[in-house]
Amino acid sequence: KQEVTQIPAALSVPEGENLVLNCSFTDSAIYNLQWFRQDPGKGLTSLLLIQSSQREQTSGRLNASLDKSSGRSTLYIAASQPGDSATYLCAVNSGGGADGLTFGKGTHLIIQP
Amino acid sequence: DGGITQSPKYLFRKEGQNVTLSCEQNLNHDAMYWYRQDPGQGLRLIYYSQIVNDFQKGDIAEGYSVSREKKESFPLTVTSAQKNPTAFYLCASSIGRANTEAFFGQGTRLTVV
Repeated sequence: KQEVTQIPAALSVPEGENLVLNCSFTDSAIYNLQWFRQDPGKGLTSLLLIQSSQREQTSGRLNASLDKSSGRSTLYIAASQPGDSATYLCAVNSGGGADGLTFGKGTHLIIQP
Repeated sequence: DGGITQSPKYLFRKEGQNVTLSCEQNLNHDAMYWYRQDPGQGLRLIYYSQIVNDFQKGDIAEGYSVSREKKESFPLTVTSAQKNPTAFYLCASSIGRANTEAFFGQGTRLTVV
């Protein structure tokens, strides 16, 4: 059974720093990996989707990489801002899209002004 | 605007009562999902549906029921058989084929009183 782990569970950094969030998964047979952002009491906002054949995806200050063979993904946030404060969730799709995602428990990120 | 609408945002249930959470999407997606989120845990899949009039149990389906009579709608009923229903419920949808991105609603917080 697929298991997803996110490290660290919580992170607090000063504004302006570059930071890396980590995600690992146990079964490398995935279709894709998706990074989400969740604000308190809200739903999930999709940030980046990386297909299994891709190595990385970029959107603005965000860059996500995927090393499927080692079961790892990283989310790089450049020049962090207080508005980046949220919980970041990693999820893998192992079932062809229609069988649901397996989620990590998330990294709670606080950017200090 | 295209998206996923969940209602109500907050719901209170008395012991022994069934309640139904609404999820509607206008993205023309075939696949829809229900997840449950508890503090300190990752999202867990309750039910999913790949197509109208078809749905499958996820990892924690006991005490829940769903229907998929229309492509746009995937309501979730929390029955009295669900012993610990207090949680944050999230509905999602995707095109349904492999390698497709999942989109989420804003969630319903259910509390047993």
